Amino acid sequence: EVQLVESGGGLVQPGGSLRLSCAASGFTFRNYWMHWVRQVPGKGLVWLSGIKSDGSDTIYADSVKGRFTMSRDNTGNTLYLQMDNLRADDSALYYCIKELSQDFDYWGQGTLVTVSS
Amino acid sequence: QSALTQPRSVSGSPGQSVTISCTGTSSDVGGRNFVSWYQQHPGEAPKLIICDVTERPSGVPDRFSGSRSGNTAFLTISGLQPEDEADYHCCSHAGTYTSGYVFGSGTTVTVL
Repeated sequence: EVQLVESGGGLVQPGGSLRLSCAASGFTFRNYWMHWVRQVPGKGLVWLSGIKSDGSDTIYADSVKGRFTMSRDNTGNTLYLQMDNLRADDSALYYCIKELSQDFDYWGQGTLVTVSS
Repeated sequence: QSALTQPRSVSGSPGQSVTISCTGTSSDVGGRNFVSWYQQHPGEAPKLIICDVTERPSGVPDRFSGSRSGNTAFLTISGLQPEDEADYHCCSHAGTYTSGYVFGSGTTVTVL
């Protein structure tokens, strides 16, 4: 059974940093692109970033480019999102997602990030 | 990258059909065969119900179907069931390798 379990969310002050993690199991992690998507409760989904299966390439939405860094550990089956210079509008539920041929076939339950003073 | 345009809400009675539109541009929805739809019940993570514009993943009921005309994709739910009450989100590859993906604004389906 595919499982994606996010962690690392919490309350942080504006300008601060957080590192999200996503523990993956139930599939061959090193073979798949992975992504992060966020959602303000009650609002739509927003794609943030993706990372190639071997970690050699990453892509980002303009809204987070230069502030967020995505990485992965294929030995430990873990995905990361380093978030720096956080703003109030970064407050959201952050989902870790597995990609299958340009579709997002498995989602974690999300970790909540709140940016507030 | 602007969000794809979806109606805020649609509603129907049990057994009826409803259709949700998802409008983008020729660079995303109209130009790529990578349009997907996700169902999200309150408090839950989204679930993939349509991939590659028209394909249904294993286990998804056949009352869900996808289509496209020009720059607009459609999700049709035929024979609406109470458990279909949820939010529905479309998504498209944004057209180039570095542009990633773009989601729709989301549509709430209410079963009357």
